[in-house]
Amino acid sequence: EPEVTQTPSHQVTQMGQEVILRCVPISNHLYFYWYRQILGQKVEFLVSFYNNEISEKSEIFDDQFSVERPDGSNFTLKIRSTKLEDSAMYFCARRGGRRNSPLHFGNGTRLTVT
Amino acid sequence: GNSVTQMEGPVTLSEEAFLTINCTYTATGYPSLFWYVQYPGEGLQLLLKATKADDKGSNKGFEATYRKETTSFHLEKGSVQVSDSAVYFCALSQGAQKLVFGQGTRLTINP
Repeated sequence: EPEVTQTPSHQVTQMGQEVILRCVPISNHLYFYWYRQILGQKVEFLVSFYNNEISEKSEIFDDQFSVERPDGSNFTLKIRSTKLEDSAMYFCARRGGRRNSPLHFGNGTRLTVT
Repeated sequence: GNSVTQMEGPVTLSEEAFLTINCTYTATGYPSLFWYVQYPGEGLQLLLKATKADDKGSNKGFEATYRKETTSFHLEKGSVQVSDSAVYFCALSQGAQKLVFGQGTRLTINP
């Protein structure tokens, strides 16, 4: 049973549409992360979120991307206008209680942009 | 910046063979080191970790030792099984900073 639940498990959308990917951590932690994995390739860092603010973001995380924790529980990744190259697995992760503890990942959302 | 380099895959072995997947890292200071495993169609699972030099992480018969002198964290298993077929990722982080992954090594075990 994953410690992080992601929904949906699979989303198909048309190019130019907005998508929202959701992440619900079971425990109440402060550090959250989004990663993506284009099929068969490396796991890439997108953004880290600490205490309800972005703490670091990668070059991939451009103006088309945003993250929120609107209700203090769900943690969302929004892509405003999807492109074909956004097709990937998107993983949410939370960090355990201590600063150097490992990340625990959800099962991911497979995003397919057509 | 921090980086992780893994041996190129894919790696194909027979059941009960000895496994080594090499991993080296570049980092300032003293990072924590991890191996994650991704089984077909699934997410990333923590396999083992080591947080300081000479620590040995172990789980499910897999081991890796944090070698600061060679900046390495090689993954080993004495006798692999078909069920070990997966993609293995070496990774590092420092404090609460992001996890940096290697490129992954696909392992296939044949019966």
